[in-house]
Amino acid sequence: GEDVEQSLFLSVREGDSSVINCTYTDSSSTYLYWYKQEPGAGLQLLTYIFSNMDMKQDQRLTVLLNKKDKHLSLRIADTQTGDSAIYFCAESPNTGNQFYFGTGTSLTVIP
Amino acid sequence: NAGVTQTPKFRILKIGQSMTLQCTQDMNHNYMYWYRQDPGMGLKLIYYSVGAGITDKGEVPNGYNVSRSTTEDFPLRLELAAPSQTSVYFCASSGKSSATNEKLFFGSGTQLSVL
Repeated sequence: GEDVEQSLFLSVREGDSSVINCTYTDSSSTYLYWYKQEPGAGLQLLTYIFSNMDMKQDQRLTVLLNKKDKHLSLRIADTQTGDSAIYFCAESPNTGNQFYFGTGTSLTVIP
Repeated sequence: NAGVTQTPKFRILKIGQSMTLQCTQDMNHNYMYWYRQDPGMGLKLIYYSVGAGITDKGEVPNGYNVSRSTTEDFPLRLELAAPSQTSVYFCASSGKSSATNEKLFFGSGTQLSVL
């Protein structure tokens, strides 16, 4: 399978910005995704970026994509306690019907 | 809207027992997936299906079986449970292939312990 890597843990103070990083391996992926998993729940799509874009902004969320380095990041501005969750990046190579997920980054927001 | 429904939510099995994890979706999605989630390992694909009657292996299929007799249902079968199958299992569905950016809808998960 594909290797999608993330750091496992991140702690930030409420009101600060959070940056979650991800590296992926398949440059054919048309879309790259960020999913959020709250405790005891399944994953929900947070945002995505088309591979020909460098940046996408959606309210407090900013996604940056560096295709050359195969690096994806998610920035959450003004992080709130409700943002505490596990965040997964995912890619979907054009060669198949599968989605490949990273290891997940557990974000803890300290009040 | 029900979306993707998984049952049971929790289960404890003894080594060697068998069980079926149920998954059903009411969105008329063609694509369905089974993932397992282990701490620090992310989600690993077990099996997937692109339509009724068609199934394919994912990254970690050993010890599992699936069937897709209808569009709605995609059960996952464990025949001889082993401690290595202790995990949280997620079913997901999607309307189209990943190339057309059809997002995955996830069920709430089944926490399985094999003792």
